[in-house]
Parts: sequence; C-alpha cells; structure tokens
Amino acid sequence: DSGVTQTPKHLITATGQRVTLRCSPRSGDLSVYWYQQSLDQGLQFLIQYYNGEERAKGNILERFSAQQFPDLHSELNLSSLELGDSALYFCASSVGGRSSYNEQFFGPGTRLTVL
Amino acid sequence: AQSVSQHNHHVILSEAASLELGCNYSYGGTVNLFWYVQYPGQHLQLLLKYFSGDPLVKGIKGFEAEFIKSKFSFNLRKPSVQWSDTAEYFCAVNAGENTGFQKLVFGTGTRLLVSP
Repeated sequence: DSGVTQTPKHLITATGQRVTLRCSPRSGDLSVYWYQQSLDQGLQFLIQYYNGEERAKGNILERFSAQQFPDLHSELNLSSLELGDSALYFCASSVGGRSSYNEQFFGPGTRLTVL
Repeated sequence: AQSVSQHNHHVILSEAASLELGCNYSYGGTVNLFWYVQYPGQHLQLLLKYFSGDPLVKGIKGFEAEFIKSKFSFNLRKPSVQWSDTAEYFCAVNAGENTGFQKLVFGTGTRLLVSP
C-alpha cells in the first residue's frame, strides 16, 4: 500500500459523458500527478499540481481538466468522453515538486471504460 | 521531445535465469532515470533510481541498473530471477528539469513472465 488512494476503482460510462476521478495523496505530500495508461499510448504523464497550483502539463487533452483542493486531494475531470479515453488513470504523489527529485508514490488507479 | 524506448515487450524466463531489460532514452539535459515495477493487480513501485555518481545503481529485490551515458542507456539486470518477479517493468526519465518540476516520461513497459 503506497498511501495514495484513488476512487472509484472502476468506472463504466457512455460516450459523451463526463466523469470525475478522485485522488488523495500520501499524508504530507504536496504534489499530485496524473497519468494515463492505455494499450496504445502506454503510460503518459497528464498533469501535475503542487500545493494547489498547476506546475507541469503533459499530453492532457483540452476535454480533460484537473484541480487540487486546499486539503491537497485532487480531481481529474474528463468530459465529452470518447471510446479512446478508456484507460487506467493513475495518480501519484510526492513530498515536493521542485529541484531535487522526490520519489513519486503511485495509487492503485481508476479503470475507466467508455462504451 | 523526450522519449524512452524499451526494446523487449515480452520476456519469458525460467527461474534462476539472468535478466537484462533494455532501456534507451532521448533527452538532452541532465537526466534522472528510474525503473518502476507493476506486479499483477498492484500499483507502480519504484525499483531503483539514478541521479548522479556511481553509474551502477542497486535497487530493491536484488535488481540493479547501469547508466551508460555514451549509449543513452539504463538497462535493468538481475542475476537470478524468481517466479515472484513476474510483473511489468517500466523505465522512466525525469524530463522536467527545465521547469524545476518533475515530469516522468515512461517507456512502453516490458512484461516479464518467470516460469517455475
């Protein structure tokens, strides 16, 4: 158990819908990262938040957005869902975000299936 | 753009065999390199990491990796694998140096199956 929790574990929805994935970081961690793992794209970095502010962006679609709340949990919002959005979405957290590397601890993931 | 290549997508070994998984990266700056493992049904876990210094890095569970700068490689090795090493292995590079923040770029992963 990494200490990072994600809900829900599984999500099945239809095309065109909107869903919200939730992540609670390890106690004391200020940074939250979101990754998408799909069969064709592999494991891709989406976005990072540090203490409530967006710090780094990866291959995140405009239909996707995220935020980190004052209690440091984060939500990833996926809208106008397409079949290709079906994937495993991982959240990771680390103590800090700047300069020297802080190990990222990964959550168990949310498996999203778009029908 | 930064990229990481893992040459072997599937590897099948017998117990006690030696393991070497290839990883090459494309990144012009100072690199931080990592190997993560994902056991069936579990989350990603850090096996080992390289920041600087001794290019031979030792990690958990008997794994080690060697950073060869001239070859842009960071291959993972284990002298004798066990059935419990069956998992998917990901090589990653931290490509966020310029922003001061971390941005891990992962390879496509290698599925290792160790038969008893």
